[in-house]
Amino acid sequence: DTAVSQTPKYLVTQMGNDKSIKCEQNLGHDTMYWYKQDSKKFLKIMFSYNNKELIINETVPNRFSPKSPDKAHLNLHINSLELGDSAVYFCASSNIRTSGRANEQFFGPGTRLTVL
Amino acid sequence: AQSVTQPDIHITVSEGASLELRCNYSYGATPYLFWYVQSPGQGLQLLLKYFSGDTLVQGIKGFEAEFKRSQSSFNLRKPSVHWSDAAEYFCAVASRGGSYIPTFGRGTSLIVHP
Repeated sequence: DTAVSQTPKYLVTQMGNDKSIKCEQNLGHDTMYWYKQDSKKFLKIMFSYNNKELIINETVPNRFSPKSPDKAHLNLHINSLELGDSAVYFCASSNIRTSGRANEQFFGPGTRLTVL
Repeated sequence: AQSVTQPDIHITVSEGASLELRCNYSYGATPYLFWYVQSPGQGLQLLLKYFSGDTLVQGIKGFEAEFKRSQSSFNLRKPSVHWSDAAEYFCAVASRGGSYIPTFGRGTSLIVHP
C-alpha cells in the first residue's frame, strides 16, 4: 500500500550509459515531481508534471527527460550518464486541484544513483 | 523569489533534552511554510505546515513550530527528543503567487546522544 514508490532503490552504472528510474503514486494526485538531492543534502526541483503535462522544467541538462504515461506515473530517463549525475533522486506527488498552492508533497524513498 | 535559510548544519542534543531547529525565510508576503523530516535512507515526510491562522502549529511525532512574521522565522521545536528523532530536517517555503513549487532549505542534521 505504498503511496509513492520508486524503482530501483539503488542504481550503479558506468559513465555514458542510459538509465531510467520509475515512479508510481497510488494517491490519486494530479501532480508529480522529480527532485535531485546532492551529496550535501541540497534538494533541487527538476521537473513537475500536472495531469501528464510538463509544467516545471528547471535548468537541467537535456540528457534528462521525464515521461508521464499517465497521471500515476512519472519516469525519469537519463542519457549519457556523467559522474556529476551521481545523487539521490526523489519522486514526489501532490494534489494541486484540492490543495492549491498549499500543497503537501508526498515523497518516494529515493533512488541512489552512482555513476562510475 | 522566496528563499529559505537553515543556519545550523548539525545539531547535537541528548535524549530527553528539548530541541529547536531554526528556519528563516525571505518572501514579500506571508508564505506557506513546511517542515519535513528525512530519516536515513528514506524520503521526506511532512511534519507540519503553516498556511494561516494560529501561528503555533502542531505536527506529528510531538513536534510544533511557531511562525513569527516579525522575524521571518518558522522554528521547529520539540520538548523532549527521542533517539528515533535523529534525522535530517528540512524547512520549506512556497509562495502564495507564481510557482507553487516549494523551496527547500539546506537541511539540519539532528544527532541524538543517549
